[in-house]
Amino acid sequence: GAVVSQHPSRVICKSGTSVKIECRSLDFQATTMFWYRQFPKQSLMLMATSNEGSKATYEQGVEKDKFLINHASLTLSTLTVTSAHPEDSSFYICSAVLPGQGSSLFFGSGTQLSVL
Amino acid sequence: GQNIDQPTEMTATEGAIVQINCTYQTSGFNGLFWYQQHAGEAPTFLSYNVLDGLEEKGRFSSFLSRSKGYSYLLLKELQMKDSASYLCAVTTDSWGKLQFGAGTQVVVTP
Repeated sequence: GAVVSQHPSRVICKSGTSVKIECRSLDFQATTMFWYRQFPKQSLMLMATSNEGSKATYEQGVEKDKFLINHASLTLSTLTVTSAHPEDSSFYICSAVLPGQGSSLFFGSGTQLSVL
Repeated sequence: GQNIDQPTEMTATEGAIVQINCTYQTSGFNGLFWYQQHAGEAPTFLSYNVLDGLEEKGRFSSFLSRSKGYSYLLLKELQMKDSASYLCAVTTDSWGKLQFGAGTQVVVTP
């Protein structure tokens, strides 16, 4: 079945550094991927929609200059947390859907980011 | 505005049945998902409803009423491993964009 791979699963970094998270669709092409963030004991909040070959669409309140999204190919979207601060510590997770099949949706395994 | 409501926490004993309700008010509707999530892990797909009615899948069933903006997830024969957060999510398009409820933490006790 279709699988979405996310890497790394866990990252610890110093405040002020940048962290890149990759999301790959392994056996299908995903023109659209989504990035979510989840703080402890809270639900998933959509951050942005990643569109292959064009700019990402960010949800209200999400800083596009801080959370850089690149979707350069049909199988890869990356989220870069720039100049990370402790308040950016969170669980980040991506998802992708089989084209034209809105119910066939797959999540990556998630990335736990801890900023010291 | 968009709103998806579900209870914060429910407790039940092993072997019992628990029903988690979800009400939603969204601009558009293209389906409702239920996910199970253990802490620190990705959500696991449980069910998808787009038409009114009941979908049964083993110990888990999900119901949808589009006219009432209401869904429930029914967990039968509860097991200790069912202790987790259960997320109700609505999609308003065919591209997979989901709006999540806050999640219901189910605690199964011996």
